[in-house]
Amino acid sequence: AQSVTQLDSQVPVFEEAPVELRCNYSSSVSVYLFWYVQYPNQGLQLLLKYLSGSTLVKGINGFEAEFNKSQTSFHLRKPSVHISDTAEYFCAVSYSGAGSYQLTFGKGTKLSVIP
Amino acid sequence: EPEVTQTPSHQVTQMGQEVILRCVPISNHLYFYWYRQILGQKVEFLVSFYNNEISEKSEIFDDQFSVERPDGSNFTLKIRSTKLEDSAMYFCASNLGDSSDTQYFGPGTRLTVL
Repeated sequence: AQSVTQLDSQVPVFEEAPVELRCNYSSSVSVYLFWYVQYPNQGLQLLLKYLSGSTLVKGINGFEAEFNKSQTSFHLRKPSVHISDTAEYFCAVSYSGAGSYQLTFGKGTKLSVIP
Repeated sequence: EPEVTQTPSHQVTQMGQEVILRCVPISNHLYFYWYRQILGQKVEFLVSFYNNEISEKSEIFDDQFSVERPDGSNFTLKIRSTKLEDSAMYFCASNLGDSSDTQYFGPGTRLTVL
């Protein structure tokens, strides 16, 4: 079984400052890693995902994440945030083998960008 | 851009009543999912559905729950006799298949059981 931990439930940051949202996972098998964003009153939207290859993954809206296998982490970063980045961010994993396609989510991190 | 839609956006029901939550997945997708998020908790997997049958389900998905694809477009989640603890946001998702493929989520239905 896999699990995902997002240590920060809320992260306030000033506009144009950098941000890092932390995600750690535990799994006894290989996994794929995802970051989703949820804007108010909307569904979950994929920001980026790591399947294999380069450990630095770039996504939409200027976000990137780095997969670190030894630390079992997949932290999300953005060098300069905008007001429009205010949303809830979810880290998720799925089993990379056959037969199980479910996503396992973390509890989410609410990013508040302060003008 | 194609999107997953869900109706209603908010459903209020009395404990013990049956509810049906509806989803229209993206048209060429083959796998369909239901997740739920109880307020303040994680998004949790409920069930996945492929080729007109359940392919995987979680411990949460007990006999009170059922899913159906009644026609070529809708995907429904039925809760037979709602409990207070079923109050949550229910998300539908769909994708083409396998665990590397992005799941596309609907906006959710907020279910409130009184």
